[in-house]
Amino acid sequence: GDSVTQMEGPVTLSEEAFLTINCTYTATGYPSLFWYVQYPGEGLQLLLKATKADDKGSNKGFEATYRKETTSFHLEKGSVQVSDSAVYFCALSARPGGGNKLTFGTGTQLKVEL
Amino acid sequence: EAGVVQSPRYKIIEKKQPVAFWCNPISGHNTLYWYLQNLGQGPELLIRYENEEAVDDSQLPKDRFSAERLKGVDSTLKIQPAELGDSAVYLCASSLDPTSGGREQFFGPGTRLTVL
Repeated sequence: GDSVTQMEGPVTLSEEAFLTINCTYTATGYPSLFWYVQYPGEGLQLLLKATKADDKGSNKGFEATYRKETTSFHLEKGSVQVSDSAVYFCALSARPGGGNKLTFGTGTQLKVEL
Repeated sequence: EAGVVQSPRYKIIEKKQPVAFWCNPISGHNTLYWYLQNLGQGPELLIRYENEEAVDDSQLPKDRFSAERLKGVDSTLKIQPAELGDSAVYLCASSLDPTSGGREQFFGPGTRLTVL
């Protein structure tokens, strides 16, 4: 079945450091890929998405590129801020376009310190 | 625009008691999802509604869990009787028609259930 594997946390970085959170997936066909973020006490929010191979999703300085050859969708940010501290979830939707069931990874907690 | 509303935010009950969670999706969103999130894990789909029809309930433990969305708007998820292992966060999400493709799911804040 479909699955998502992401790096375990917590990841602790200093402010302005470079961030990478690895995500790989297993799915049949051509899934859509997502990164969701969960701030403390809040619901999940869509951070970015990509619906086909080589697409790059970007938002708020975060980027991720859909790599079909390596089945990966790694999240990156060039300079993190304390306000980026949250839990980040990689997810896929097997139906093209992403409108169907989401399969999530286990989440990666990011802590950014001054 | 109001987001997805869930209540209660927190619930503590004794095992074997019943419990119900309520969700009001974003206005105009005909698709509603209930997810279960265990501590340290990603959410897992329990049931998906398109309007009032449950189109995917394959992951819903039907011996103790039930859900309804009678008028195709708000929804209730019920557990009866609750077990210790049901302690988790129950998330509700909604979206526009997924068949259109690329439709973002909007999540509520969740209900944190603790079963003692």
